[in-house]
Amino acid sequence: DIQMTQSPSALSASVGDRVTITCRASQTISSYLNWYQQKPGNAPKLLINAASALQSGVPSRFSGSGSGTDFTLTITNLQPEDFATYYCQQSYNTPLTFGGGTKVDIK
Amino acid sequence: EVQLVESGGHLVQPGGSLRLSCAASGLIFNKYAMTWVRQAPGKGLEWVASIAESGDRRYYAHSVRGRFTISRDNSKNTVDLQMQSLRGDDTAVYYCARDVLRGDLDVWGKGTSVAVSS
Repeated sequence: DIQMTQSPSALSASVGDRVTITCRASQTISSYLNWYQQKPGNAPKLLINAASALQSGVPSRFSGSGSGTDFTLTITNLQPEDFATYYCQQSYNTPLTFGGGTKVDIK
Repeated sequence: EVQLVESGGHLVQPGGSLRLSCAASGLIFNKYAMTWVRQAPGKGLEWVASIAESGDRRYYAHSVRGRFTISRDNSKNTVDLQMQSLRGDDTAVYYCARDVLRGDLDVWGKGTSVAVSS
C-alpha cells in the first residue's frame, strides 16, 4: 500500500499569510494526487486533482504542485474561510490512501 | 445539482450487521464509479470500498475485506454498503462519494454515523 505522509500535522497562521503543506508518497505516484479541504462537521471538499488542477469554483489563492513522490499545497493570502483541515490523497492505485491531515487554525 | 444522501447509520452491537445506502440524484449515475470513505471520531479519512460504473469490479480496504460488501443498483441510483461482523474500530461517519476519475472524489454526501458498541 502507498503511504501518504503530510506535514505539518497542524499549523497556526494569520489572515493574509502564505501557507504551505507538504505531502510525500512512499512510492512514485506520478501526478495522481488530490487535495481536500474539510471543515468541522462537514464532508471533505475536493480542491485540487492531478496534483495541480484547481476544481471549478475553488479560489485561485489555492495552488498545488509536485509529481513523483513530493507534493505541495499552497494557500496565498489566507482567508478566514480557509481555516480547516487539509488532506492529500493518492489515486494512483487501490487502496486509495489519504495523508493524516493538516489542521490550519488561527494564530 | 449533484446530490448524494447517505442513510442507515445507527448504533449496533459488536458482531452485528448494518446496511448503509447512498441515494444519488442530479447525475447520470451509471457513468460513475462510487466510493465509501469513513472517518472515525477525531481521526482522518479512510477509504473503505469502491465499485465500478457497471458494478462488475469492486475494491475493498484490507480492514473491511471479507466483512463489507459494496453494491449498486443503477436502476435506482443507489450504492449500498453491507457491513457484517462489525467491530468497535468500524465506528465512524461513513461518506458516499462520486469517483469522477479513478479515485478523484469530487462530490460527497453529508455522511451517516455508525457506532459499534455494547
